[in-house]
Order: sequence, then C-alpha cells, then structure tokens
Amino acid sequence: SAVISQKPSRDICQRGTSLTIQCQVDSQVTMMFWYRQQPGQSLTLIATANQGSEATYESGFVIDKFPISRPNLTFSTLTVSNMSPEDSSIYLCSVPIPGQFPYGYTFGSGTRLTVV
Amino acid sequence: GEDVEQSLFLSVREGDSSVINCTYTDSSSTYLYWYKQEPGAGLQLLTYIFSNMDMKQDQRLTVLLNKKDKHLSLRIADTQTGDSAIYFCAEIVRGGSQGNLIFGKGTKLSVKP
Repeated sequence: SAVISQKPSRDICQRGTSLTIQCQVDSQVTMMFWYRQQPGQSLTLIATANQGSEATYESGFVIDKFPISRPNLTFSTLTVSNMSPEDSSIYLCSVPIPGQFPYGYTFGSGTRLTVV
Repeated sequence: GEDVEQSLFLSVREGDSSVINCTYTDSSSTYLYWYKQEPGAGLQLLTYIFSNMDMKQDQRLTVLLNKKDKHLSLRIADTQTGDSAIYFCAEIVRGGSQGNLIFGKGTKLSVKP
C-alpha cells in the first residue's frame, strides 16, 4: 500500500502566523485529501487536491485560509494561514491506496497543531 | 444527508469480545470502512466491506452489515490491551471508489486487564 510521509508531526505556533504541512507519497496518486480532526472530534474533509488543477474545498473551508499546492502526483502541501487558537487540530492527508480494489484509503500520521 | 453515528465509548475486559456499532445514512454507499487510531498516531485501515456483503471475517475481526437498517458493526474477538484505540466507521460518498470518506465521531475502546 502507499506510504505517506507527513511533516511536521507537531508544532506550536503563534496566532496570526502560518504553517505549511507537507505530504509526500511513495507512489503516484491522482487524488489527495486533506482532513482536520479537532480535539475529541471526528475527521472533517477540508479539500480534495488534484494535480494540475485547483483544489476543491468543502463547505466552511476557503482557499484564503487553507491554500493547497499539488505540484506533482506524489506531493501536496496544506497551509493554515493567519492562525487562531480555533485552528488547533490534527491535520491529516489521505490518498486512495493505488492498485487496490476496492479502494482503501491510507493516511499520513498527522500534524498536531497548537496555536497559542 | 451524509451522517455517520457511533457510540463514543466502550469498555471491555481483556479476552472478551468487543462490538462497536455504527449507523450511516447514505444508502448509495458502496464501501464501508473501519479505521483504528492509536494515541498520537494516524489512522490505520483495519477492514472494509462492500455493500453487497452481509459479513466479512478477517482473523479476529468480523464486520456485519445490515443494509436495510444501515447498520454496521465491528466485532473484535479475544480483545487485547493492544486493541485499545479509537475506532472510526467511515463510508464513501461522491463518485464511488474515488469519493471522499465521511467519518463517524469514533468509539474509544478501553481494554482492562
């Protein structure tokens, strides 16, 4: 199955600053998903990132706050901009497991963000 | 609408069976998944079931699907302390196999020795 390297694993940031999270996959994948997991909550999809096109954002998430890059089929970044304490969450990227039918989805280990 | 519901907590003794339940609302879901999240770790795909199946067994794990009631369960036989984790039920929405996952809130399983 695909292996995702996600970094940083955790960070503590000042409010008003931005943090960029990276996900590197060891195989080429068409779609990558970015999720947020707020404390004690489930995962909520932020956006779907396709290579060569703009990311598709879910309701409640906007590009200015969560810009995403997808320069190639193995890499993506998510930036959390102008952070506030409400952005403190775990952020995870996910990809369909290539070559597996039916598709499973594998996840990065997550970035635990604390905004102070 | 899309919604996945789970009970939040389950506590069992080591060696007993654990049953984690989930209900979902999207009747068009083709695949349903169980993920495990250990403390401080990412999500690990445990198992999945295709919507035309009633049951799937994989070693200590048994998944039961009642499509009529939109009810999914995960049974862990001979539960061990290493099974302590949060278990998420998830369904695929939008576009079948390439859609995104909708997760339940997770069931925290505590296994007492």
